[in-house]
Formats: sequence, C-alpha cells, structure tokens
Amino acid sequence: AQSVTQLDSQVPVFEEAPVELRCNYSSSVSVYLFWYVQYPNQGLQLLLKYLSGSTLVESINGFEAEFNKSQTSFHLRKPSVHISDTAEYFCAVIGDSGGYQKVTFGTGTKLQVIP
Amino acid sequence: DTGVSQNPRHKITKRGQNVTFRCDPISEHNRLYWYRQTLGQGPEFLTYFQNEAQLEKSRLLSDRFSAERPKGSFSTLEIQRTEQGDSAMYLCASSLDGGTGNTIYFGEGSWLTVV
Repeated sequence: AQSVTQLDSQVPVFEEAPVELRCNYSSSVSVYLFWYVQYPNQGLQLLLKYLSGSTLVESINGFEAEFNKSQTSFHLRKPSVHISDTAEYFCAVIGDSGGYQKVTFGTGTKLQVIP
Repeated sequence: DTGVSQNPRHKITKRGQNVTFRCDPISEHNRLYWYRQTLGQGPEFLTYFQNEAQLEKSRLLSDRFSAERPKGSFSTLEIQRTEQGDSAMYLCASSLDGGTGNTIYFGEGSWLTVV
C-alpha cells in the first residue's frame, strides 16, 4: 500500500517570495513521485516527476523538487513565485510493484500568491 | 496529440437520473483511468483499463457505476440512479504501456452536480 501526505492545505505567499510545498509519502516498495498542478476548473497537469537518477528535478517554469529517500519526502520549491502560480498542487506516488500504474494522490495544497 | 478529451464538461442532473460521461484518450495510449475528485480532496482512483480490459475497480465504484472501453479507444463512465453524494469531478487519464513511471495525462474533467 502507498500513501501521500500533504500537510498544508493552503499556503499564502507574497509575490516574488520563495515557497515550499511539503509532501511526504509511504510505500513498501520503490516509488516514483510526481507533482501535478490544477488551475481553477481545469484538469491536472504534470509539473515534474522523479523516476530515477538525480534526486533534484526541475520544471520548465522554475519549480523544483528533491527526492529524499531517508525522509520519505518530495517537497516542491520555487525561489520566487508569480501571481500565475496561484493554483492547487497535488503530490502523487506510484509504487513500483509491477503491473499497472495506480497513482495515489495527496489531498492537495492551495498556493495563493498575494500581490 | 490533442490530449485527453472529456465530455460533457458539466452536467447537472436530478437525483435518480442516469448520466454518462465519455473520455477520448490520447491516441495510441492503451491505458485508461477514471478518477473522482471532490472538493478539498485529491483525485481518487475508480477504475483502470488496459486496452479494452477493465483490470481493476476501486471499492468506491458501487454497483451503480459502470465503465466500459469497448474497442480499446474511448471509454464511458455511467452512473445509474444518481445520488447527491455522486456530485464530483470525474477525471479521465491515459498513458502508454511500457513500464511504471510513464507519464499519465489527465483530461479537463467532467463536473457532475446532482440536485
């Protein structure tokens, strides 16, 4: 079984300030980790993913996340946020137990960027 | 690549009526998933298809729910005798076969409101 915990349901932050959205997971097998973003009234868009290799992964719009196996975390960070980053962010995990990919999502963190 | 397409995007129905949602996955994606998302929650897995075969159904999928993917391309999700608790966004997603970690692409979602 696998699970994802996003401790912060809402994170307000001023524009151009840094932000960290926390994600912790649990799994009995190796995992693949994802961050998805959801803008109002839209579906989910993949932001970035960790499959293997470098533990630091980056997105094209300045977000990065670091896989920390010892702390079972995959926190999302951005050094300077923009108004357009206002959205809900979901951390997700796939356990590598073979077979198909069943994605387990966290409950989401709403990022509110304040002008 | 036109992305995962879902329709209708919004559906308001009276309690007790039947509704059907359609999902057109990205062409050549042989894996298709249905998720449900309620306010304040992350998406919850409902069911999964590998081509036309439905390989797993969540306990969330009661007997009133049925999903099909008759030709291994588009899929339908039908809810019979709708209840107010069925009000949610129903998300469809697809991915290529080929191993754990392949990106799962989500559609825009179909909002259901049962009144």
